[in-house]
Order: sequence, then C-alpha cells, then structure tokens
Amino acid sequence: GAVVSQHPSWVICKSGTSVKIECRSLDFQATTMFWYRQFPKQSLMLMATSNEGSKATYEQGVEKDKFLINHASLTLSTLTVTSAHPEDSSFYICSARTYTEAFFGQGTRLTVV
Amino acid sequence: QKEVEQNSGPLSVPEGAIASLNCTYSDRGSQSFFWYRQYSGKSPELIMFIYSNGDKEDGRFTAQLNKASQYVSLLIRDSQPSDSATYLCAVWTGYQKVTFGTGTKLQVIP
Repeated sequence: GAVVSQHPSWVICKSGTSVKIECRSLDFQATTMFWYRQFPKQSLMLMATSNEGSKATYEQGVEKDKFLINHASLTLSTLTVTSAHPEDSSFYICSARTYTEAFFGQGTRLTVV
Repeated sequence: QKEVEQNSGPLSVPEGAIASLNCTYSDRGSQSFFWYRQYSGKSPELIMFIYSNGDKEDGRFTAQLNKASQYVSLLIRDSQPSDSATYLCAVWTGYQKVTFGTGTKLQVIP
C-alpha cells in the first residue's frame, strides 16, 4: 500500500523557537495532504488542508501565522510551528489520500519546554 | 451532537471472545467509513473500510454498515491481547473531509 513518511518522529524544542515537520508521500503523488493534531486521550483534530502549489486551508481556530504550511511539490508538505509554546506540545500527524484510502505518517511527538 | 460518536470505553473482553465496537455518525451524506487502530504513542493504522450497506469481512475483522440507521460497527473475532488498542471510527464525506470519532479503547484480557 501507499506509504506516507513523516519526519522527525519526535522533537523537543525550547519555548519561542520554531520546528519544522516534513511529510512525504513515497509512492504516489498527493495534491492534497492533511495535518492533524492529537492531544492525549483525544481524537485526531484536523488543523489544515495542504494544497500543492496554493495556500493551505485552515480549520476554524487554527492560527495560520503560527502553523505555517508549505506544499511545494506533489510529494512533500511541511508544517512549521513558529514561536512554539508549551501548549503546542502534542502529537502531529500528516495524512495523504488517494480516491479510496487515507494514509497516515508515523506522527511527530512535539514537546516544547 | 458530535459528528462521529464512539463510546470511549474501555471495553474489556477476554481473550478469544468477540469484541464489538460501535460508531454513529450524523451526516447522511457520508460515503466512506474507516476503522483505524491506534496504539499508544503511535499513528493510526487502517484496519478496514466499507462503503456499502451490509457486512465486509477481512480475516478476524468484520465491518458492518447500516446507512439508514447511520451506524457502523467493527467486530473482532478471537480477540488477542495484541488487539488491545484504541479503535478510531472515521467518516468520509464527499468533500474530502474525514471526521474521526474519539475512539474506543479495547482491552483484551489474557
């Protein structure tokens, strides 16, 4: 099946710094990728939809200036958490879809100290 | 009303028993339904998807869909301790929007 690779799998950063998370579709082209956030014991919450070659679409309540998304190619989308704060600590997961299935990256555990 | 609802559990079943996980959804326009398994600290992994009313079987897993009643279920036969995880129901509408339930935690007791 299709594979989505996400990197890094975990990262610890200092408050105020920025962190970039990469999501790659390895064996198919993804014009659209999705970024989710999952807090402990909660479900996945969609943050934004990343569209190749155009601006991302953010869900209500998600700060677009804080969570920068770049989808520069058909196989790569990046999420940059800018000026990270401890409350941004969470599990971030990317997803790419074909017409019939959704595939997830391995997830990134972000801890802001 | 939440768009996709699941009982958070935990659902405890003895090893070898059948585990039954249920999910209801609110959008009648929903087209595709997915079950994911998520181990603690890991990303979700797809177990099954179903589009049509009725049952779909894959090994020990059976997905059941009833669009009229707006529910989808997952049966796990011969439950194993390794099946202990959180099971997420996901509903896909025609707008490329996938909504996840909060998940049901399953505990299979040896």
